[in-house]
Amino acid sequence: KQEVTQIPAALSVPEGENLVLNCSFTDSAIYNLQWFRQDPGKGLTSLLLIQSSQREQTSGRLNASLDKSSGRSTLYIAASQPGDSATYLCAPEDDNYGQNFVFGPGTRLSVLP
Amino acid sequence: NAGVTQTPKFQVLKTGQSMTLQCAQDMNHNSMYWYRQDPGMGLRLIYYSASEGTTDKGEVPNGYNVSRLNKREFSLRLESAAPSQTSVYFCASSEYYRNYGYTFGSGTRLTVV
Repeated sequence: KQEVTQIPAALSVPEGENLVLNCSFTDSAIYNLQWFRQDPGKGLTSLLLIQSSQREQTSGRLNASLDKSSGRSTLYIAASQPGDSATYLCAPEDDNYGQNFVFGPGTRLSVLP
Repeated sequence: NAGVTQTPKFQVLKTGQSMTLQCAQDMNHNSMYWYRQDPGMGLRLIYYSASEGTTDKGEVPNGYNVSRLNKREFSLRLESAAPSQTSVYFCASSEYYRNYGYTFGSGTRLTVV
């Protein structure tokens, strides 16, 4: 069974800092990995999808990398802003239940003005 | 806006009552999913429908039933609600083939008293 961990569980940084969120998964035989953002009391918003043939994906100030062989992905946020405050979830695609993404517990990010 | 629509957004049930959570997507996606999100447990898959006409159990299916009404709609039914089913429920959809990510609805917050 795929197990996903995210480090750190929570992070508080001053505005403007660059930061890295880490995701580890136990089964490296994944097809894709998706990063999501969840605001308190809200649904999940997709940030980036890294396909199995890719090693990284970029969108604006966000950059996600994927190392399947070591079971790791990182989300890099450049020049953080208070609006980036949210919980960030990583989800590798698993094969146990169709095309199912297995979710990590998330990293709760607070960016202080 | 295109996406996944869930109704209702909030619901309070008494133990033993039944209800159906509705989900519809307008992106012509083949696969649809129901997750529940609980504090400390992350998102867990309840049921999924890989394509129209098929449904399968996920990780935590007990106490729930689903119907894939057509390609657009996928409903989740609680026949006899229990306090343990208090949770936030999310519907998601994706293309059937690999290398496509999830789109989530905004969630239904259900409380069973």
